[in-house]
Amino acid sequence: DAGITQSPRHKVTETGTPVTLRCHQTENHRYMYWYRQDPGHGLRLIHYSYGVKDTDKGEVSDGYSVSRSKTEDFLLTLESATSSQTSVYFCAIRDGSSGNTIYFGEGSWLTVV
Amino acid sequence: QKEVEQNSGPLSVPEGAIASLNCTYSDRGSQSFFWYRQYSGKSPELIMSIYSNGDKEDGRFTAQLNKASQYVSLLIRDSQPSDSATYLCAVMTGGFKTIFGAGTRLFVKA
Repeated sequence: DAGITQSPRHKVTETGTPVTLRCHQTENHRYMYWYRQDPGHGLRLIHYSYGVKDTDKGEVSDGYSVSRSKTEDFLLTLESATSSQTSVYFCAIRDGSSGNTIYFGEGSWLTVV
Repeated sequence: QKEVEQNSGPLSVPEGAIASLNCTYSDRGSQSFFWYRQYSGKSPELIMSIYSNGDKEDGRFTAQLNKASQYVSLLIRDSQPSDSATYLCAVMTGGFKTIFGAGTRLFVKA
């Protein structure tokens, strides 16, 4: 158990509304990641963070922003949700003490209608 | 070209057989390689990591790495129905970004 919790776990929202997903970790890991997972595409990196206020883009960052004001929290915001952003979102941490292994949270299921 | 490629499957094997899962990657500078298992509706969980050329064994699982060919594989011996899942290959590239393949679905028939 890597001590990662995501909220909300399930959400239905309307097109055009902003949505924020929260990832909280309890083990002081420096690196945190947001992925989305869609059939046929696997896990795709959206954004990642390498420290407080330090973030960078991944493969599919358009339409998403992130913030990390505290080590333990990494927020993913869909600025204006679209149906193409219906997906499962996974937060993850990198554990440098175990060979840079990525550990995942339980996922957030988002449906944009 | 995708950075990490896997056959999507499904790969179907009988119970007790060896399942062989393959993965290729494009970044020659990659140093860390991982195999994850994901059951439907669940998050991926780590099976094995491998960092140097050759084989690494852990119970019924063997990971193989060939950096010259940019190839990683996972062998599952004595496959069980409980091994039926999607297997994800992952590669850590520069900047500590971990890129995943699309996954191979494995079915083990009892």
